[in-house]
Amino acid sequence: SQELEQSPQSLIVQEGKNLTINCTSSKTLYGLYWYKQKYGEGLIFLMMLQKGGEEKSHEKITAKLDEKKQQSSLHITASQPSHAGIYLCGADGTGTASKLTFGTGTRLQVTL
Amino acid sequence: DADVTQTPRNRITKTGKRIMLECSQTKGHDRMYWYRQDPGLGLRLIYYSFDVKDINKGEISDGYSVSRQAQAKFSLSLESAIPNQTALYFCATAGPSGTGELFFGEGSRLTVL
Repeated sequence: SQELEQSPQSLIVQEGKNLTINCTSSKTLYGLYWYKQKYGEGLIFLMMLQKGGEEKSHEKITAKLDEKKQQSSLHITASQPSHAGIYLCGADGTGTASKLTFGTGTRLQVTL
Repeated sequence: DADVTQTPRNRITKTGKRIMLECSQTKGHDRMYWYRQDPGLGLRLIYYSFDVKDINKGEISDGYSVSRQAQAKFSLSLESAIPNQTALYFCATAGPSGTGELFFGEGSRLTVL
C-alpha cells in the first residue's frame, strides 16, 4: 500500500516568514492533493498536481511535484495567522482517483 | 447549508454501545467515503461507496459497518463501540472519476468511554 510521510510534523513560524512542508511517497504518485484543515473542522481542498515538475499557486501558497512524482512540497510566502491549521497531502496511487491515501499532516501555527 | 452534513457533530458513549454516524450530501455525487482521524496518524479510510449498490472496505474496516441508503446518504455504524474507536470521523464525497477532489463534512467527534 502507498504510504505518505509529511515533514515537519509541526511548525511554528512568525507572521511574515516563509515556510515549506514536504510530502514524500513510497510509490509513484498518479496525483497529489493538498488539503488544509482548520482545527477540529473539515478539510478544504487547496490544489492538485499530476504531472512531474508541475507547479501551482493559489494566493500565497505554491505547491510543486518533483519530476519523479514521489515528492511534493507546499510553500507559503509571507505567512499570516489565517494560514494556521493542519496541512495534509493526499495521494492517488491507482491512477483512477477513486480513493486517496493521506499523510499524517503538518500542524502550522503562525505567531504574531 | 453545508454540501456535506454529518450528524451528530459530537457524541460521547460507553463501551459496548451501538453508534451510528450519518452523512448526507447535496452535491449529487455518487462517491462517498468515511475516514477517521487520529492525532499523528492522519486520515485513514474506513469504507467507501461508488454507488448505492457498491460498498468497499478501506484500510481499517474492522469493527465498522456502513449502509448506503440512497445516493445522498451514507451511514457508518459501530456495532459495539470500544475506546480505541475514539476519534474524529469524516464523511467525504467525490465527483466523477478523474477529478480526485474530495468534499468533506465538518466531522463527527466520537468519544467512547
